[in-house]
Amino acid sequence: KAGVTQTPRYLIKTRGQQVTLSCSPISGHRSVSWYQQTPGQGLQFLFEYFSETQRNKGNFPGRFSGRQFSNSRSEMNVSTLELGDSALYLCASSTGQTQETQYFGPGTRLLVL
Amino acid sequence: QKEVEQDPGPLSVPEGAIVSLNCTYSNSAFQYFMWYRQYSRKGPELLMYTYSSGNKEDGRFTAQVDKSSKYISLFIRDSQPSDSATYLCASAISSGSARQLTFGSGTQLTVLP
Repeated sequence: KAGVTQTPRYLIKTRGQQVTLSCSPISGHRSVSWYQQTPGQGLQFLFEYFSETQRNKGNFPGRFSGRQFSNSRSEMNVSTLELGDSALYLCASSTGQTQETQYFGPGTRLLVL
Repeated sequence: QKEVEQDPGPLSVPEGAIVSLNCTYSNSAFQYFMWYRQYSRKGPELLMYTYSSGNKEDGRFTAQVDKSSKYISLFIRDSQPSDSATYLCASAISSGSARQLTFGSGTQLTVLP
């Protein structure tokens, strides 16, 4: 079974731009969660989508948004990028029934200049 | 104060040593506890999860949870150089089937040959 894939793997943007990241979950998984990982704050939960609906949200500003498609693929969008948004963005998929067994993708490393 | 605190390390041990990795948590609502391993430039990989106090063993790894003292530990026996990675503890509150993982900051482990 193929694992979680994320595209692109690396991205460089400038302040004020927006960015869209993509995540394809493991086949059959309906839940996708997004996390931001930085050296200072560690891994922080952004939001979770299940069957195209956001069912959980972390403490991030509204500039961070996401969506999920009918095939369970998910996208995350960050608008008006700030320097502090530079991070590794990870998505994790699960069946949605037992979130304990989330499987992470390799992440997208975003650098904001 | 972070909800999940983790000994930051870094930790360096000789091959074959027993490694003890520790976390404490403050939120009494946490019901699920997980350990992830993250190699450099990779996404976290689930090692173990448990939802009860006590020990859970899987090969060379033992996860220990003490809910009365809000303490989580991971023990690695007969450590190998391939165990060199960052170890992350995580906790989750159950809300229906939605889980929001709260991570510790991670402990970087190096096992020297």
